[in-house]
Amino acid sequence: KQEVTQIPAALSVPEGENLVLNCSFTDSAIYNLQWFRQDPGKGLTSLLLIQSSQREQTSGRLNASLDKSSGRSTLYIAASQPGDSATYLCAVPANNNAGNMLTFGGGTRLMVKP
Amino acid sequence: DVKVTQSSRYLVKRTGEKVFLECVQDMDHENMFWYRQDPGLGLRLIYFSYDVKMKEKGDIPEGYSVSREKKERFSLILESASTNQTSMYLCASSFAPRGGNEKLFFGSGTQLSVL
Repeated sequence: KQEVTQIPAALSVPEGENLVLNCSFTDSAIYNLQWFRQDPGKGLTSLLLIQSSQREQTSGRLNASLDKSSGRSTLYIAASQPGDSATYLCAVPANNNAGNMLTFGGGTRLMVKP
Repeated sequence: DVKVTQSSRYLVKRTGEKVFLECVQDMDHENMFWYRQDPGLGLRLIYFSYDVKMKEKGDIPEGYSVSREKKERFSLILESASTNQTSMYLCASSFAPRGGNEKLFFGSGTQLSVL
């Protein structure tokens, strides 16, 4: 059964820092990996989706990388801002034949201090 | 932009009541999902549907049922609500047949409290 782990569980940084969030998964036979953002009491917003054939995806100040062989992904946030404060979750398909039925990590709660 | 709308933001129900949570998406997505999210347990899949009238159990289907009579609407039903079903419920949808690589879009969530 696929398991997804995110470290650290919480992170507090001063505004302007570059930071890296980590995600690891146990079964490397994945179609893709998604990173989501969740604001308190709200739903999730998809930030980036990396397909299994890709190494990374970029959107603005966000860059996500994928290393299937080692079962790892990182989300890099450049020049962090207070508005980036949220919980960030990664997710992978539960198994090869389940379409996009996802298994989620526990999330990293990020606080960016002004 | 894709919109996934959950009918209620907050709900308070009594133990034993039958509860309906409604979700509508406006992008003609085939796949729809119901998750619950609890502190320390993360997101767990309850049920999903990849087509009208089709449904499959997720990780924690006990105590729940679903209905997908129309492509845009996916309902979660708590037949007899219990206090351990107090949770944040999140609906999601995506395009693509099974095995696809499309993004998942979430609604804003329904915070259900069962007293």
